[in-house]
Parts: sequence; structure tokens; C-alpha cells
Amino acid sequence: QKEVEQNSGPLSVPEGAIASLNCTYSDRGSQSFFWYRQYSGKSPELIMFIYSNGDKEDGRFTAQLNKASQYVSLLIRDSQPSDSATYLCAVGGNEKLTFGTGTRLTIIP
Amino acid sequence: KAGVTQTPRYLIKTRGQQVTLSCSPISGHRSVSWYQQTPGQGLQFLFEYFSETQRNKGNFPGRFSGRQFSNSRSEMNVSTLELGDSALYLCASRFGGGWTEAFFGQGTRLTVV
Repeated sequence: QKEVEQNSGPLSVPEGAIASLNCTYSDRGSQSFFWYRQYSGKSPELIMFIYSNGDKEDGRFTAQLNKASQYVSLLIRDSQPSDSATYLCAVGGNEKLTFGTGTRLTIIP
Repeated sequence: KAGVTQTPRYLIKTRGQQVTLSCSPISGHRSVSWYQQTPGQGLQFLFEYFSETQRNKGNFPGRFSGRQFSNSRSEMNVSTLELGDSALYLCASRFGGGWTEAFFGQGTRLTVV
């Protein structure tokens, strides 16, 4: 079992709709969770982080964490073509981030 | 404030050769982590250096090594290159603690032929 798992996609969402990205992790003791966006040919960019159970909102982005289910999600509201990218879920430890393989998201105009 | 700088950006090497990649972190950052990104495996942790000491190492063969200098710049070396080493190598720089203030460099694209 991989430490961090994501559906690789591709996920296609119409412009203006909600994109929902999911991630599960295996280490029940994990405390910090991150979502990175990576455009093709570019480096990962942190867009959201969450430490506590529940929802955390920042603009059009909402991160959701359920530690009992070992599940993290990212919702993107009012999806825009500029949101088309690969989204990486990561779990933070003291010395490393453990990444999922990423979900490729395409927003269809 | 300058970002994380990785050099070179692109590299083509032949099987059996060795290669050295460089990462200059953001000024004041003492931690440098290295990751290998491939289409099939995603980002995989190689190692982390903090104040010239390796703090953690991922599950990579001994052909992969690294070091950090007193100015926090880090290098990674891959010896006896294999075709499977073709990847994007990314480094991440942070001051020392959490990951919310970590920044990635643009990466070095290594192609082994």
C-alpha cells in the first residue's frame, strides 16, 4: 500500500463547476497535510495546508481533512481554465514530505 | 528575495556516467531537500540536509548521494547513471521547521541515454 494515494485522473471539469480532488494516507499519526499545484514543466506550488479535522477555506479553495478516515480532499469552486494542472497531495513529516502521484485536472471552457 | 535556484536546468548524460546537480536555497534557509519526480512514481524523497548534516534519506541506492556546504548550498550526485534515473530532480528550501514556508526550485531535467 502506498503511503499517500490519489486518483491519477485525468479529471475533466467544466468551467465554473466544482472540482473535487481526493487523497488518502496510510500513517494514522500524520499531522500535517498539503496540496500543491504543478503546472506542466514547472515546480510544485503550495496552495493549501490543513492540520485539523474539518474544512479550511481560502478563496475558491477548500481543504477538508478527516483523520478518522485518513482522508484529505481539495475542492476548487468556480473552476477556471487556469486551474488546469496536476494537483499533488502531500503529508508532512519532520524531515520530508510524502507525496501522492498527483491528479491531473483539466478545466473545459 | 531570490528564489531557489537549481543548476543546470537541463542535462543529457550517457549511461554509466556520473552527474552533479546544484541547489542554492533562499537566503537564510538552512534546510534543503531533494526529490526525484517521474511520471510513474511521482515525487519521491531522496534526502534532506540541514546545517551541513544529512537528516533523513529515502529509499534510493547508494549511487545517489548529496552534501551541503556551509552557505547552505547543496549538491546531489548520481554515479553510474542508469536509464531509469531520467527524471526531474527538484530541491526544496525551508528555514528549518514546518513545510508551509518551503519553496521548490524549478528543477533539473536529467535525461540518460
